[in-house]
Amino acid sequence: GAVVSQHPSRVICKSGTSVKIECRSLDFQATTMFWYRQFPKQSLMLMATSNEGSKATYEQGVEKDKFLINHASLTLSTLTVTSAHPEDSSFYICSARDWLRHPTDTQYFGPGTRLTVL
Amino acid sequence: GDSVTQMEGPVTLSEEAFLTINCTYTATGYPSLFWYVQYPGEGLQLLLKATKADDKGSNKGFEATYRKETTSFHLEKGSVQVSDSAVYFCALSDRGGTSYGKLTFGQGTILTVHP
Repeated sequence: GAVVSQHPSRVICKSGTSVKIECRSLDFQATTMFWYRQFPKQSLMLMATSNEGSKATYEQGVEKDKFLINHASLTLSTLTVTSAHPEDSSFYICSARDWLRHPTDTQYFGPGTRLTVL
Repeated sequence: GDSVTQMEGPVTLSEEAFLTINCTYTATGYPSLFWYVQYPGEGLQLLLKATKADDKGSNKGFEATYRKETTSFHLEKGSVQVSDSAVYFCALSDRGGTSYGKLTFGQGTILTVHP
């Protein structure tokens, strides 16, 4: 139980294009999802908190117009990297909270998406 | 703000050796504490957690005790296996105010276990 999937697992795109990454909770409803960015051999940096049906809350220093987050249903959140540049290349990881089974603060993580911008 | 500090790696051990990865934290509220593990090429998996002082989280032979007096949550395992090779992250979730539910991660510790 508490499985989170991400699609695609890897994506390579040209500079200037947009890329959409999907995050799905497969067997539970996730009222809150989180998006992280992980640089090589470094820790995870929280980018934004996404609540179903409302606007995402972005962390300081994260450009909300560049990293568009949509959480349209209780099982799906999407991150769109707009006008991608090589410096956006990174490992993007989402997580979700299962309020019904774990009303505390445990997060379940997706396997991540490796984005490479050429 | 909240922060988590882990011992620097990488840590290299022989199979069946004893493992300790130190983790200390600072938090404005009363946090929950977590250890997550990331195997090569995979996402993070919850290894164990503790939600109040003196709680001991345990899973797969790993243990960590929530020590409020020393603000620590050190990870231990009595006998490591090659399959334990991974990156280990200590994290906290501050349950107070607007930061509720956000995880703050340590920098991660790479563990390599040799046969």
